[in-house]
Amino acid sequence: GAVVSQHPSWVICKSGTSVKIECRSLDFQATTMFWYRQFPKQSLMLMATSNEGSKATYEQGVEKDKFLINHASLTLSTLTVTSAHPEDSSFYICSARPGQGASGELFFGEGSRLTVL
Amino acid sequence: QKEVEQNSGPLSVPEGAIASLNCTYSDRGSQSFFWYRQYSGKSPELIMFIYSNGDKEDGRFTAQLNKASQYVSLLIRDSQPSDSATYLCAVYASYDKVIFGPGTSLSVIP
Repeated sequence: GAVVSQHPSWVICKSGTSVKIECRSLDFQATTMFWYRQFPKQSLMLMATSNEGSKATYEQGVEKDKFLINHASLTLSTLTVTSAHPEDSSFYICSARPGQGASGELFFGEGSRLTVL
Repeated sequence: QKEVEQNSGPLSVPEGAIASLNCTYSDRGSQSFFWYRQYSGKSPELIMFIYSNGDKEDGRFTAQLNKASQYVSLLIRDSQPSDSATYLCAVYASYDKVIFGPGTSLSVIP
């Protein structure tokens, strides 16, 4: 299957700092990437859809000024958690979809576990 | 009504048995359906996808789709302890998003 790389895998930061997470599609171009968040023992919750060359589309309840998404190229999307607080501690997972159309098949990055102290 | 529903489990089956996982969805316009496996602390990995009504088999896994009933299932034959994980049902909804169910925890007992 297609390869999606996410970095960093783990990050620990102090409250009030900002953290950037990168998501790269290594062997395909992705016009659309998706950012999910997963709290312990819960399912993946879609945070936003990242569109190359345009503004991201955020799900209801997700603060766009807190979770900045940039999709500057067809292979890279970044999520920046600004002024992080302990309640932002979670497992953040990006995914990308090769090609377009109705398939919807997603490939996931390895995930980034954020711990805010 | 939640968009994608699954039995939360845990589901326990003995080694070698068939594990049956079920999923229902609310969006009748959904086009594609996926089963992901997630080990604790890891990212989900795709096991199966299905687009058309009926069965799709891949090794020990069989996905079944019934769009009229808005139901999709995953059968795991000859279950192995390594199959113990959380299984996530995902639906590519008509509004161009992939929505996940809450997951079913499967435990295969040696």
